[in-house]
Amino acid sequence: GENVEQHPSTLSVQEGDSAVIKCTYSDSASNYFPWYKQELGKRPQLIIDIRSNVGEKKDQRIAVTLNKTAKHFSLHITETQPEDSAVYFCAAKAAGNKLTFGGGTRVLVKP
Amino acid sequence: EPEVTQTPSHQVTQMGQEVILRCVPISNHLYFYWYRQILGQKVEFLVSFYNNEISEKSEIFDDQFSVERPDGSNFTLKIRSTKLEDSAMYFCASRARQGNYGYTFGSGTRLTVV
Repeated sequence: GENVEQHPSTLSVQEGDSAVIKCTYSDSASNYFPWYKQELGKRPQLIIDIRSNVGEKKDQRIAVTLNKTAKHFSLHITETQPEDSAVYFCAAKAAGNKLTFGGGTRVLVKP
Repeated sequence: EPEVTQTPSHQVTQMGQEVILRCVPISNHLYFYWYRQILGQKVEFLVSFYNNEISEKSEIFDDQFSVERPDGSNFTLKIRSTKLEDSAMYFCASRARQGNYGYTFGSGTRLTVV
């Protein structure tokens, strides 16, 4: 089945700097790659997603890139703000319905 | 914005007891899921449900687990005889239709087995 690896597990950045989180996946049939932000005790919230027919997608300060050949995708957050502090999860959907999640990255934005 | 609603938000139960976690998916959604998240760990898939039957389940979803959509709105997860290791946050999720991959997660039920 699908396996998703996520790095780093923790990331500390200065406010205003960029943050990059990377994920790799194992199943070449995966075709949908969402990113979720989870604040403590809350539900995962979708922040951006990308499908396998697109290489890059941007939404204001957030962007995601996908390299299908290498089977990896990345989340880029620019001009980080303290409210960006949270745990971020990548996920992948292969055949079937389920999402397979990465292990999560705890992002801390220091003011 | 439509939401997936879960009740209760927190449940404490004795080991060996049965629990039922309840979810109300978004009304026009067709695919329903349960995921769990042990404290500090990643979100794990349990089961997916479509057209009134299980479409996929993980190895976690053993005979102690069952799901049901008893009416047109509720989607429940039953754990027959809870174990300490069932303690986790359980998330319900739904999505609209084939080809629409946007999953909406509920706010979760924190299950504590003592």
